[in-house]
Amino acid sequence: GAGVSQSPSNKVTEKGKDVELRCDPISGHTALYWYRQSLGQGLEFLIYFQGNSAPDKSGLPSDRFSAERTGGSVSTLTIQRTQQEDSAVYLCASSVRDTAYEQYFGPGTRLTVT
Amino acid sequence: SQQGEEDPQALSIQEGENATMNCSYKTSINNLQWYRQNSGRGLVHLILIRSNEREKHSGRLRVTLDTSKKSSSLLITASRAADTASYFCATVKTSGSRLTFGEGTQLTVNP
Repeated sequence: GAGVSQSPSNKVTEKGKDVELRCDPISGHTALYWYRQSLGQGLEFLIYFQGNSAPDKSGLPSDRFSAERTGGSVSTLTIQRTQQEDSAVYLCASSVRDTAYEQYFGPGTRLTVT
Repeated sequence: SQQGEEDPQALSIQEGENATMNCSYKTSINNLQWYRQNSGRGLVHLILIRSNEREKHSGRLRVTLDTSKKSSSLLITASRAADTASYFCATVKTSGSRLTFGEGTQLTVNP
């Protein structure tokens, strides 16, 4: 079946502009996660959606970052007034229920802020 | 600081040899997972081991978990050039909702 998809695969934007990154999880997966990975680093947790529960936003680095998940499926991560330090690969993952289960990752969006 | 820390940071071996990577963590966990990443993009799940398990196998992979030492190891037997990748351990705390990743081990298998 289809895996997790993300779009765009690459995004180059100018400092100060807003960007939206999209994630389509595996159908039927109730949990969705966003991570950020800077060059040569491990993954940094950003936000976690689980069913209809309030999302865990504790990993968002600043109030310029926000995310929503509509209809329990597609998610959008929005970065406002982008800064150069926002440049990274943004990875989305989904799992069948919660963190007790393996996560399936999308291919990521490489964001470059110039 | 990272919940999971991998050791070594980089490992280079010859094809056919075994590769062992270690992971240490700090707090009580619900489960520990190992992932592989090729070329800095999407991660692939390898094995999930729960806190009440001590060892799991999947093909050429063997994972152990020692909760008393707060450590885990990933063994890849009879390595192949295609195993070249970064390997990450990730933990879920007993009372947590997130998966916390270590910084990974870069494995290079030379043909």
